[in-house]
Amino acid sequence: EAQVTQNPRYLITVTGKKLTVTCSQNMNHEYMSWYRQDPGLGLRQIYYSMNVEVTDKGDVPEGYKVSRKEKRNFPLILESPSPNQTSLYFCASQPYRGLGTEAFFGQGTRLTVV
Amino acid sequence: SQQGEEDPQALSIQEGENATMNCSYKTSINNLQWYRQNSGRGLVHLILIRSNEREKHSGRLRVTLDTSKKSSSLLITASRAADTASYFCATDTGNQFYFGTGTSLTVIP
Repeated sequence: EAQVTQNPRYLITVTGKKLTVTCSQNMNHEYMSWYRQDPGLGLRQIYYSMNVEVTDKGDVPEGYKVSRKEKRNFPLILESPSPNQTSLYFCASQPYRGLGTEAFFGQGTRLTVV
Repeated sequence: SQQGEEDPQALSIQEGENATMNCSYKTSINNLQWYRQNSGRGLVHLILIRSNEREKHSGRLRVTLDTSKKSSSLLITASRAADTASYFCATDTGNQFYFGTGTSLTVIP
């Protein structure tokens, strides 16, 4: 089954404790991205990757890191999480960029930083 | 920001009625897409309309795009309780995807 898989689905952590949210897609998509969703703000893009080893900042990259060592994986790293990073996070992938393709979303990771 | 704005923020209708939601955006786009999100779940793609198209249909969905006004509308006809969800427009500028703030639709049985 074609899918985007995020783990974990729920995470509660303490301020400053490094964490990684994993994202994997099995559709051989070139483009992957991370979003955070906050009430009243919709989805905002954190980072995106056009292909392996190519990443770029979205609208709200501060406090986040990503890597794209393999085509299928695009982990989101919070080196020192803070309470303002409490949010619902989504990973998404698309076949490619430029000609208009639909995005496939993971089921989300609800992160709480206390 | 390129982020789109949906209008209304919330909409409540009776089953069988039509639901219309609107999206406005700020800069030139390659295409515009609509997504649906059931409470707290991942978004699901509904329909894509390219910048050179004015109207598109898919089942009970009808999307229009007016690039001169930088706006789009999504019409859901003969709504069902199962259509209850949040709906987001997403504008594709070529490099990035920008989502709007969403319209929360409630369809009352």
